[in-house]
Amino acid sequence: AQKVTQAQTEISVVEKEDVTLDCVYETRDTTYYLFWYKQPPSGELVFLIRRNSFDEQNEISGRYSWNFQKSTSSFNFTITASQVVDSAVYFCALSDMDSSYKLIFGSGTRLLVRP
Amino acid sequence: ETGVTQTPRHLVMGMTNKKSLKCEQHLGHNAMYWYKQSAKKPLELMFVYSLEERVENNSVPSRFSPECPNSSHLFLHLHTLQPEDSALYLCASSQDLGPVQFFGPGTRLTVL
Repeated sequence: AQKVTQAQTEISVVEKEDVTLDCVYETRDTTYYLFWYKQPPSGELVFLIRRNSFDEQNEISGRYSWNFQKSTSSFNFTITASQVVDSAVYFCALSDMDSSYKLIFGSGTRLLVRP
Repeated sequence: ETGVTQTPRHLVMGMTNKKSLKCEQHLGHNAMYWYKQSAKKPLELMFVYSLEERVENNSVPSRFSPECPNSSHLFLHLHTLQPEDSALYLCASSQDLGPVQFFGPGTRLTVL
C-alpha cells in the first residue's frame, strides 16, 4: 500500500530562518511521482513541484529546494530565508505512474513564519 | 475568472437539506476531481471525471452525488448529510487525468 508520512504537524520559525519540511513515503511501485503542494489560508492547494522516481537530482527554485533520496524514501522540502508569506500548510503527495491522478497525500505540516 | 473557482465558499446545512456545490475550471482541462479535507485527516479523493465520464468513485456514500455536465463544470449534490460530513470540499482539474492538478479554494461545509 502507498503511504505518505509528514511527521511534523506544526513548525514555527522566525522570518529569515531556514526551515525543512520532512516527507517519508512508502510504495511498492518502482515508478512513481512525488509532489509538494502549498495550502495558504485562502484554501486552494497550490502545486509546487513534481518529481519522477527515476530522477533523484535535487531541485532548487528560488528560495525553495527539494532533496529526493530513494535510499531513505524521503522527499524533503527546504525553504531558505523564510518569509511571513510562506506561512501555510504544506502537503507532500505520492502517485504511481499508471494511475498518476490518484494522489496519496500526507497529513500536512503547518508552517508559521513569525515576523 | 481564472483557474478553478468554487461556489459557495461557505455552506451551513441541516441534515435534511439538499444543496449543491459548484466547481468551474477556466484552464481548458478535461478531467475534474472532488476531494474531501477533514480536520486531522489527509485529503481524500472522492470522485474523478474524465471527458465528462465518471472514472473513479472511492466508496463515497450515496448521499453525495456528483454531476459533470461538461468539461468545465462539476457539481456535488448533497442530501441527508451527517455531521461527520462537515469538511472542506476541494475541486481540482487536470489535463488527461494527469498527475499535476490545479485546485479551487474549496467550500467549507458545516452540517448541523
